[in-house]
Amino acid sequence: GAGVSQSPRYKVAKRGQDVALRCDPISGHVSLFWYQQALGQGPEFLTYFQNEAQLDKSGLPSDRFFAERPEGSVSTLKIQRTQQEDSAVYLCASIENGQGNGYTFGSGTRLTVV
Amino acid sequence: AQSVTQLDSHVSVSEGTPVLLRCNYSSSYSPSLFWYVQHPNKGLQLLLKYTSAATLVKGINGFEAEFKKSETSFHLTKPSAHMSDAAEYFCVVSGPITGNQFYFGTGTSLTVIP
Repeated sequence: GAGVSQSPRYKVAKRGQDVALRCDPISGHVSLFWYQQALGQGPEFLTYFQNEAQLDKSGLPSDRFFAERPEGSVSTLKIQRTQQEDSAVYLCASIENGQGNGYTFGSGTRLTVV
Repeated sequence: AQSVTQLDSHVSVSEGTPVLLRCNYSSSYSPSLFWYVQHPNKGLQLLLKYTSAATLVKGINGFEAEFKKSETSFHLTKPSAHMSDAAEYFCVVSGPITGNQFYFGTGTSLTVIP
């Protein structure tokens, strides 16, 4: 596609509910990243994939967070037993080759846990 | 280790006057530096990038930034502010390798007064 597509655009979850957030990167982009942006803050790194391999998951805040990219294209970020502190915008980004090009970000999924 | 400090959380300018958004970085190796803009309820858009080529970098919408290694700074400027420039701006530092995470500053909110 022309850009990075994320769905849903908005998600309201009751505390304790599981959620799944989807990211469709730009076709052919090998590298995919997930970031979490809390209200009034800059995005913070969650995890990184190169093709289907999850090479860095050091930013995942707890074992309730899980990400996958089984075929090296679409990625899903899953949050189990959501808590209020999980409320944030979750951003997906993909990059073609080399850091110098910068990421292309999706519009994000705004998760609100009530 | 890498980090970014955006020196102003809010900047307010009159339309037609110059814009200066300040950013200092810390990096243990030659960094890649970026400025991103985020309009309300929109995704992050790349304004410009520095990747060890020319130290004065020109971006979209008339923005430019100068990399000053001696001052570890990468300030964003624009000669004349437009109403449409009102947004949140993020300075970002990264390592040179694909997959190196991006470190975002906390953002500077730019207000343009008519």
